[in-house]
Amino acid sequence: DTGVSQDPRHKITKRGQNVTFRCDPISEHNRLYWYRQTLGQGPEFLTYFQNEAQLEKSRLLSDRFSAERPKGSFSTLEIQRTEQGDSAMYLCVGGGSYNEQFFGPGTRLTVL
Amino acid sequence: SQKIEQNSEALNIQEGKTATLTCNYTNYSPAYLQWYRQDPGRGPVFLLLIRENEKEKRKERLKVTFDTTLKQSLFHITASQPADSATYLCALDIEGFQKLVFGTGTRLLVSP
Repeated sequence: DTGVSQDPRHKITKRGQNVTFRCDPISEHNRLYWYRQTLGQGPEFLTYFQNEAQLEKSRLLSDRFSAERPKGSFSTLEIQRTEQGDSAMYLCVGGGSYNEQFFGPGTRLTVL
Repeated sequence: SQKIEQNSEALNIQEGKTATLTCNYTNYSPAYLQWYRQDPGRGPVFLLLIRENEKEKRKERLKVTFDTTLKQSLFHITASQPADSATYLCALDIEGFQKLVFGTGTRLLVSP
């Protein structure tokens, strides 16, 4: 257990619906990342927060995606108008002091 | 183009043998390289980090080498056990703020 929790663990939605995922890192993780992983592939970087500031966004993060980290604690990732191509595992990662990264269990999204 | 390559085929070995997994990369100059273990349906778990000025790093039955000239890392598991069966991912930090680029992973199967 890395101490990073994600909610929900599974989400099934219909195309066109909005979904929101939550990540709770441990208090020592001032860095927080979101990655996306599809079957048979490694995780792909989506976005990065240093405390509450969003410092980097991947080109994978279209306008339908938005992430926040109010107060530098928990983070949310929202996908608007979901598409079938959004189906993936969404992984939240807390950054430790020595370049270690602690992955949460992920939220598996299925868009029908 | 920038690539990280890991053996896409599963590696099958017998219990007690040493498993060796390969990670090759092109067009990157990473400050460090990480190895992760991932079990089905779960987030990756950090195993080892090796810096560009380090040739070798060990942790219990695990050993990682890093050759920046060859642009290659080797990951060894000695005295392998069936519980070591999982997918192993290598990842590079290419921009210095722990934004990781992952390979596709190699699945290891250890038979009793």
